[in-house]
Amino acid sequence: GNSVTQMEGPVTLSEEAFLTINCTYTATGYPSLFWYVQYPGEGLQLLLKATKADDKGSNKGFEATYRKETTSFHLEKGSVQVSDSAVYFCALRHSGGSNYKLTFGKGTLLTVNP
Amino acid sequence: DTGVSQDPRHKITKRGQNVTFRCDPISEHNRLYWYRQTLGQGPEFLTYFQNEAQLEKSRLLSDRFSAERPKGSFSTLEIQRTEQGDSAMYLCASSLGTANSYGYTFGSGTRLTVV
Repeated sequence: GNSVTQMEGPVTLSEEAFLTINCTYTATGYPSLFWYVQYPGEGLQLLLKATKADDKGSNKGFEATYRKETTSFHLEKGSVQVSDSAVYFCALRHSGGSNYKLTFGKGTLLTVNP
Repeated sequence: DTGVSQDPRHKITKRGQNVTFRCDPISEHNRLYWYRQTLGQGPEFLTYFQNEAQLEKSRLLSDRFSAERPKGSFSTLEIQRTEQGDSAMYLCASSLGTANSYGYTFGSGTRLTVV
């Protein structure tokens, strides 16, 4: 079956530090990959996505590259800000007949201190 | 575009009571989804509507759960005879076309606490 494994949190960084949150997946077919962010008290917001191997998704300084050979989609940001503090979820969209369905990782809590 | 609205934001209920949640999707979105998120976990798929048709229901949904989307607009999720294990955040999302092309838009969720 399909599954997503994310690096365990919480992650605590100082402002302007480099961020990496690891994500690996198991899937049948050719899934699309996503990172979602959840700020306290809010719903999930799409941060970035990649739909095929070697695609790089980017948004707001965050980047992730779809690596089929390592089944990974690690999230990176060169310089984090306090406002980046949130929970980050890696997710895959099933391929084939269930392509409306997302499978999420457990989430990684990021706290950025000034 | 006011996004996906969910009501109520919080619900505390006694075990054994029935509860109903409402989701108003983005008006032009024909697809609607319910997910459940328990503490420390990612959201898990519950059910999916295309217009008014419920096309898939997860094994996570016992017979105590029912979801509807009359006329393909808003949706309701009802839980009968609630149990403590039902305590979770219930998330609604909507999309137009496939998630690949347009992405989901999630609501802020309804947090259910069963005491």
